[in-house]
Amino acid sequence: DAKTTQPPSMDCAEGRAANLPCNHSTISGNEYVYWYRQIHSQGPQYIIHGLKNNETNEMASLIITEDRKSSTLILPHATLRDTAVYYCIVRVRGTGGFKTIFGAGTRLFVKA
Amino acid sequence: GAGVSQSPRYKVAKRGQDVALRCDPISGHVSLFWYQQALGQGPEFLTYFQNEAQLDKSGLPSDRFFAERPEGSVSTLKIQRTQQEDSAVYLCASRDPSNTEAFFGQGTRLTVV
Repeated sequence: DAKTTQPPSMDCAEGRAANLPCNHSTISGNEYVYWYRQIHSQGPQYIIHGLKNNETNEMASLIITEDRKSSTLILPHATLRDTAVYYCIVRVRGTGGFKTIFGAGTRLFVKA
Repeated sequence: GAGVSQSPRYKVAKRGQDVALRCDPISGHVSLFWYQQALGQGPEFLTYFQNEAQLDKSGLPSDRFFAERPEGSVSTLKIQRTQQEDSAVYLCASRDPSNTEAFFGQGTRLTVV
């Protein structure tokens, strides 16, 4: 299974862009990169996913390098409510289908 | 319902007691997942259902853990003879047939004393 590596924590000033890196050097050709976040005392929330092209939605942008060995989640204008643990995940196919395997994530602190 | 619902929200059990945790997935979601999240850690996969079939139970930590989804909708995670190390948040998630994002419930926080 492809594993991911993320920094344990990051700080960001409110209103600035938050750039969260993720390494997934063992990713295989048909594995997607997913990002979820978990705000304190809540379940994880889906943010975005991609295969090899950059993706953007109302929450964030996902930049995947050409060799697909790393990616960056960008929150363009971070707010205090974006303080959370962000998980970068490579979705693997387990017995009977896809299952989402979480790592330790990056704890993002957005400061006023 | 509007989202994945889990009950109870909090459960305190005495060591050795059996507990049952319930998950109501989003209507129409065929895939259902259970995760265990210890304090300060990421969620750990426990088991996966597609409809009523349990297709992957590789993450269940011991034979004290049992999950079922008899009619392909509501699922129950049962833990027998609870131990202190079972204390964690138990998360349930469901996914729609297009197989993209998973939706998580708020979890059940189990404390074994």
